[in-house]
Amino acid sequence: DQQVKQNSPSLSVQEGRISILNCDYTNSMFDYFLWYKKYPAEGPTFLISISSIKDKNEDGRFTVFLNKSAKHLSLHIVPSQPGDSAVYFCAASARRSSGDKLTFGTGTRLAVRP
Amino acid sequence: KAGVTQTPRYLIKTRGQQVTLSCSPISGHRSVSWYQQTPGQGLQFLFEYFSETQRNKGNFPGRFSGRQFSNSRSEMNVSTLELGDSALYLCASSHGTSGGGTDTQYFGPGTRLTVL
Repeated sequence: DQQVKQNSPSLSVQEGRISILNCDYTNSMFDYFLWYKKYPAEGPTFLISISSIKDKNEDGRFTVFLNKSAKHLSLHIVPSQPGDSAVYFCAASARRSSGDKLTFGTGTRLAVRP
Repeated sequence: KAGVTQTPRYLIKTRGQQVTLSCSPISGHRSVSWYQQTPGQGLQFLFEYFSETQRNKGNFPGRFSGRQFSNSRSEMNVSTLELGDSALYLCASSHGTSGGGTDTQYFGPGTRLTVL
């Protein structure tokens, strides 16, 4: 049972435009969400997170939106840069019941075209 | 501040052997979690250690085990290796004091294990 889903395996965006990566979850116990960026043969790099008590968190070019009623979150990257090309993973945790255990989505490969 | 380090970076073993992987967390972090990444299953949680105690466990067979030392360094062991154990094994560290806070896990570069 895939509790965290990233339905788009890939996304291609022109440099300077907005990249929007989506993530859906099914477990109502999830209360903390994170986005990681990953290059091949490297560990995931933390980008941005959001607690379930918020609906938006912004850090520079990265903004994460959380819609709890729809069990949906999205990562916006504006403006997109070629260096953003990587695989992006959405992750969730149910802190009150499962501590730091992260459940990951399957990833979305972002390609930013110059 | 130094990041999470994992050793070795690459490892080749044969079926039936056992392997031990090591992880040194970020200084001050007391929680270490282990994940397995494979093309078919993605990133899956193995277990988490906090203050030398296993605090959480994923759905992996008993051949996968771990431990944490008093300095928060952690090791994971896989016994009786199978071909399907070939994967990137990732370690992540955090303060471990989640409880609804904003504790974040930071990942190491991983150990690429190949089982022949």
